[in-house]
Amino acid sequence: AQKITQTQPGMFVQEKEAVTLDCTYDTSDQSYGLFWYKQPSSGEMIFLIYQGSYDEQNATEGRYSLNFQKARKSANLVISASQLGDSAMYFCAMRSSGGYNKLIFGAGTRLAVHP
Amino acid sequence: EAQVTQNPRYLITVTGKKLTVTCSQNMNHEYMSWYRQDPGLGLRQIYYSMNVEVTDKGDVPEGYKVSRKEKRNFPLILESPSPNQTSLYFCASLPGLATDTQYFGPGTRLTVL
Repeated sequence: AQKITQTQPGMFVQEKEAVTLDCTYDTSDQSYGLFWYKQPSSGEMIFLIYQGSYDEQNATEGRYSLNFQKARKSANLVISASQLGDSAMYFCAMRSSGGYNKLIFGAGTRLAVHP
Repeated sequence: EAQVTQNPRYLITVTGKKLTVTCSQNMNHEYMSWYRQDPGLGLRQIYYSMNVEVTDKGDVPEGYKVSRKEKRNFPLILESPSPNQTSLYFCASLPGLATDTQYFGPGTRLTVL
């Protein structure tokens, strides 16, 4: 069965420091995609970053990078230089090749950035 | 502006009173989905649609119906809501299989008393 596991219910970080949010996944598919979304207190889902299973390089988008370790089935999100506005819920999700673009989500990690 | 809209954004209702949450996208996307979000469970897919008149169940379809009569609209129908359907609901769309971006609506917070 396909599954996403986020083992950190909550994290906190000091402003301007880097933080890593963990995500492990389970799938037997060879082709899949991994996503991270941010959900601020207002509730909307904001797409952050995407990594395809065949991408050889780790994805980066501004202060966000995805540490993709395929053999370990992990796709950790790294946020560099944290800002107060980064305080939010973060979800890791996976899309499999045969899933009609269904996203399978983890339970989420709540990040608090302290000044 | 490319967007997915949902209405209403907030709804409080009572058990058994039929309701519809509308979803509309202006990007001519083929694929649309409904998800519900519950604490500790993340988002789970309720129903999805691959095109007009083509819909299928997701992981948690019980108690819900959908329809796709037009490409842009994908309403979620609760024929007889129950308190366990109290949740945050998201509609999402994307153009096709070969894509890396899913567009989410703003969410509908539903409370069933």
